[in-house]
Amino acid sequence: DAGVIQSPRHEVTEMGQEVTLRCKPISGHNSLFWYRQTMMRGLELLIYFNNNVPIDDSGMPEDRFSAKMPNASFSTLKIQPSEPRDSAVYFCASSPFVTSTDTQYFGPGTRLTVL
Amino acid sequence: GQQVMQIPQYQHVQEGEDFTTYCNSSTTLSNIQWYKQRPGGHPVFLIQLVKSGEVKKQKRLTFQFGEAKKNSSLHITATQTTDVGTYFCAGRGSSNTGKLIFGQGTTLQVKP
Repeated sequence: DAGVIQSPRHEVTEMGQEVTLRCKPISGHNSLFWYRQTMMRGLELLIYFNNNVPIDDSGMPEDRFSAKMPNASFSTLKIQPSEPRDSAVYFCASSPFVTSTDTQYFGPGTRLTVL
Repeated sequence: GQQVMQIPQYQHVQEGEDFTTYCNSSTTLSNIQWYKQRPGGHPVFLIQLVKSGEVKKQKRLTFQFGEAKKNSSLHITATQTTDVGTYFCAGRGSSNTGKLIFGQGTTLQVKP
């Protein structure tokens, strides 16, 4: 099993540019989560999908952030326009299905630096 | 909203000493999970506790879930340098089956 795949692993961009982060969940997993990790705020849930449908996006910081899951094997998190305060490690995680006892499997993360 | 607080934020120990991190929720949890993140890595699932008062062991690691299902602890006996990393608790509220609320994590440093 390949695990959760994220790309790119590192992204350096300038303020105002559009950034797209990509995630391929573990095959057969029906739930997908996007997290952001910073020293100041820790690990924050941004949004999660169940069967490709967004269930809870209350953690999305503002309209500059958007996430899509067009099919069961692919999701994107887009930031447009990016700002220096968006610099963080963004993790994607997947889970077999949404129940009260599911384990989440994290990808390696994308380290985003906005200059 | 639901909050999960974790203490201490950092802990430095000498190899061989014990280590404990504590997790407290503002609301009753349906279950709690523990994850470990090595430096530069990603969170990796360790264990899940579901029942009130549950205690589980994994070698030198002991996990407890409080009777009221609002707190939990992770205790490591005789730490080793391989235990270095950040330990997160993550709770699920009774009314929300999808969302995990992560604590801030406890970063453990072990001096050889």
